[in-house]
Amino acid sequence: KQEVTQIPAALSVPEGENLVLNCSFTDSAIYNLQWFRQDPGKGLTSLLLIQSSQREQTSGRLNASLDKSSGRSTLYIAASQPGDSATYLCAVSTQGSARQLTFGSGTQLTVLP
Amino acid sequence: GAGVSQSPSNKVTEKGKDVELRCDPISGHTALYWYRQSLGQGLEFLIYFQGNSAPDKSGLPSDRFSAERTGGSVSTLTIQRTQQEDSAVYLCASSSGETQYFGPGTRLLVL
Repeated sequence: KQEVTQIPAALSVPEGENLVLNCSFTDSAIYNLQWFRQDPGKGLTSLLLIQSSQREQTSGRLNASLDKSSGRSTLYIAASQPGDSATYLCAVSTQGSARQLTFGSGTQLTVLP
Repeated sequence: GAGVSQSPSNKVTEKGKDVELRCDPISGHTALYWYRQSLGQGLEFLIYFQGNSAPDKSGLPSDRFSAERTGGSVSTLTIQRTQQEDSAVYLCASSSGETQYFGPGTRLLVL
């Protein structure tokens, strides 16, 4: 059974800092890995999707990497802003699971102005 | 364009009552998913619909939970004889490819 772990559970940084969020998964037979953002009381917003054959994806100040063999992904946020404050969720779609997503428990990020 | 919509946004019910939660996926998306987000359990998969294929119900926690998808579009998640442990946010997602797009969720509170 696929298990996804995110570290740290919470992170607080001053505005302007670069930061890294970590995600690990136990079964490397994945279709893809997605990073989502969730704001309080809101649904999930997809940030980046990395296919199993890819090593990284970039969107603006966000860069996500994938090392499938070691079961790890990182989300790098450059020049953090208070508006980046949210919970960041990592999710994997595992082969043989009909594309359902298995989620980590999230990292709650606070960027202080 | 319009995203995934869900209704109601909030639902308070008494233990033992039945509830129906609705999801309107993005037009043209053939795949539809239900997930549940509860304190202490995180986000967990419930059920998956793909086109006209039989749904994948492997994540439903008990036979009190069921879901339908009519005409390949709107989906309804029904919880019968609700229990307090059913209190959670129920999220719906749809996709036409790899990326899943989520609705805002229905927050269910069972008293």
